Amino acid sequence: TQLLEQSPQFLSIQEGENLTVYCNSSSVFSSLQWYRQEPGEGPVLLVTVVTGGEVKKLKRLTFQFGDARKDSSLHITAAQPGDTGLYLCAGSNSGNTPLVFGKGTRLSVIA
Amino acid sequence: DARVTQTPRHKVTEMGQEVTMRCQPILGHNTVFWYRQTMMQGLELLAYFRNRAPLDDSGMPKDRFSAEMPDATLATLKIQPSEPRDSAVYFCASGSKFTGFTGELFFGEGSRLTVL
Repeated sequence: TQLLEQSPQFLSIQEGENLTVYCNSSSVFSSLQWYRQEPGEGPVLLVTVVTGGEVKKLKRLTFQFGDARKDSSLHITAAQPGDTGLYLCAGSNSGNTPLVFGKGTRLSVIA
Repeated sequence: DARVTQTPRHKVTEMGQEVTMRCQPILGHNTVFWYRQTMMQGLELLAYFRNRAPLDDSGMPKDRFSAEMPDATLATLKIQPSEPRDSAVYFCASGSKFTGFTGELFFGEGSRLTVL
């Protein structure tokens, strides 16, 4: 069974601070996705990474896929209250297996 | 505006009662997933379908849970009898036939179930 460990579980920071959250596994993934979930809503895809070492930017969010494709990180620059939510990573090790989700990092950005 | 629709949004029931949750996937999507989310376990995969055929339902208790797709526009998740430990938010998600299992999943807003 593939497991995705996310850290930290909870993070509370002030507006304007930078932060990094992590997604780690002992398994190799063919692709890894990051989702954000707001209260009362379903998760929404932010990005998909497929190549080891790949870096993708989405405005103030920077996503990196580890060289060995076992881990990933999400860095947020100058966090804003609108970034508050649950950040989930999800991976699949082939095109025929469904996504496995980590338990998420719950981020709170205080104005 | 294509989206996954789930009903009911909220359900409170008593232990032992039957609960049915419904999902309308995005038109044209051929993969449908049922997930359960709790604080302790996160998002757990219960069952999934491709082209309406069940591929795997090993993630759910067989004796009380059942998942079906009567047609391409409707997926159902039934719990009978329900127990307090089934209290959770149940999500349906669908995926495009062009991206398989590694593509983007589109989630509904979830059905929050409370079993007393």
